[in-house]
Amino acid sequence: DQQVKQNSPSLSVQEGRISILNCDYTNSMFDYFLWYKKYPAEGPTFLISISSIKDKNEDGRFTVFLNKSAKHLSLHIVPSQPGDSAVYFCAASDNAGNMLTFGGGTRLMVKP
Amino acid sequence: EAEVAQSPRYKITEKSQAVAFWCDPISGHATLYWYRQILGQGPELLVQFQDESVVDDSQLPKDRFSAERLKGVDSTLKIQPAELGDSAMYLCASSSVLGRGTGELFFGEGSRLTVL
Repeated sequence: DQQVKQNSPSLSVQEGRISILNCDYTNSMFDYFLWYKKYPAEGPTFLISISSIKDKNEDGRFTVFLNKSAKHLSLHIVPSQPGDSAVYFCAASDNAGNMLTFGGGTRLMVKP
Repeated sequence: EAEVAQSPRYKITEKSQAVAFWCDPISGHATLYWYRQILGQGPELLVQFQDESVVDDSQLPKDRFSAERLKGVDSTLKIQPAELGDSAMYLCASSSVLGRGTGELFFGEGSRLTVL
């Protein structure tokens, strides 16, 4: 039973355009959401997060949107850069602690 | 810059052999996690420690996997005997708080296991 799902295994975007990565969750107890970025042969690194009391959080080129009623969140990267090419994982935790449940990841390829 | 150290980076072993992975978290981080990432999937939690105590090991296959953090600092994850399906990346992560905090985990580079 996958509680966090990333339905697009890959996404290809032209440099300078917007990248939109999507994530859906089923557990209504999740109240904190994070995005991690992973390059090959490296561990995931934290990118941006959002609490359930917000519907948007922005950090430079990265913005995360949360739609609680739809149990959906998305990561927007604009403008996309070739260095953004990586696997992006969505993760969620509930209000009982900080154990993270990860989605399966989306591989983003930004073409020059 | 502080980082989570893991070794070995790569391990190739035959099935039924024993393997062990080591992790040294960021200094001062009380919470340590072992995740397993199968190719094409997201990381799955195996075990979570708070200091030297296990907080959650519900997803750890205890018939063959064991984990310890005796002094509440570094940790070892062992598999005995290894099976073909254990081939994966084993990721160690640490965080400074247990509970709500920021939920931000710092990951090591991982140990890639291949079982032949």
